[in-house]
Amino acid sequence: AQTVTQSQPEMSVQEAETVTLSCTYDTSESDYYLFWYKQPPSRQMILVIRQEAYKQQNATENRFSVNFQKAAKSFSLKISDSQLGDAAMYFCAKNSGGSNYKLTFGKGTLLTVNP
Amino acid sequence: DAGVIQSPRHEVTEMGQEVTLRCKPISGHDYLFWYRQTMMRGLELLIYFNNNVPIDDSGMPEDRFSAKMPNASFSTLKIQPSEPRDSAVYFCASSLMGRPNYGYTFGSGTRLTVV
Repeated sequence: AQTVTQSQPEMSVQEAETVTLSCTYDTSESDYYLFWYKQPPSRQMILVIRQEAYKQQNATENRFSVNFQKAAKSFSLKISDSQLGDAAMYFCAKNSGGSNYKLTFGKGTLLTVNP
Repeated sequence: DAGVIQSPRHEVTEMGQEVTLRCKPISGHDYLFWYRQTMMRGLELLIYFNNNVPIDDSGMPEDRFSAKMPNASFSTLKIQPSEPRDSAVYFCASSLMGRPNYGYTFGSGTRLTVV
C-alpha cells in the first residue's frame, strides 16, 4: 500500500515569515502526481499546488512553492510571506500516473500563523 | 460551476438509525470518490466510481456501509445501522478522467455524529 508521511503534526510561523512543511512518500512508480491541500476551519479541502513527477521543475503558485526531490521521495511545501489566512491543516497527497486514480493522503500538519 | 455539493452539512442521529449522505459531483466529471476523515485515521478512501460504476470499494469498513451512483449527477453513501464509531466527516470528491494530475474537487463535507 502506498504511504504518505507528514512528520510534523504542528508548525507555527510568524506573519510575513517563511515556513516549510515536510512530506515524504513511498512508491515504486516512476510516473505519479503529488498535491498539497489546505483545510481551513471551514473544513473545505482546497487544492494549493500540484507537481507531476516526470517534471523536474518545482511547481510554484504565488507564495506557495514546492521542493520536489524525486530520488529522496520528498515533497515539501514552502509558504512565503505567511498570512493569517494561511492558518489551516495542510495535507500532502499522492496518486498514481496510471489508471489508478486513488488519492492517498498524509495525516496532515496544523499550521498556526502568529500575528 | 457550483462545485461538488454535499448534503446535509451536519447530521446527528441515534445509534441504530439509518443515515444517508448525498453528493452531486461537478457536471462532466466521471470519477466520484467518498472519503472519511477522523482524527485517528485521517482521510481514508471508502469507495470510488467511474462512469457510475463502483471500481474499488476496498475501503468500505463493513457491510453496514453501502454506496450507490444511480446516475452521473448523484451518489449516496448509506450507513445502516449507524454506530458511534461512524462519527466522522464524510467527503465526496469528483474528478475528470484523463486528468488525475489536476487532483480532485471536494465538497464541503458532511459532519456525522452518532449518539
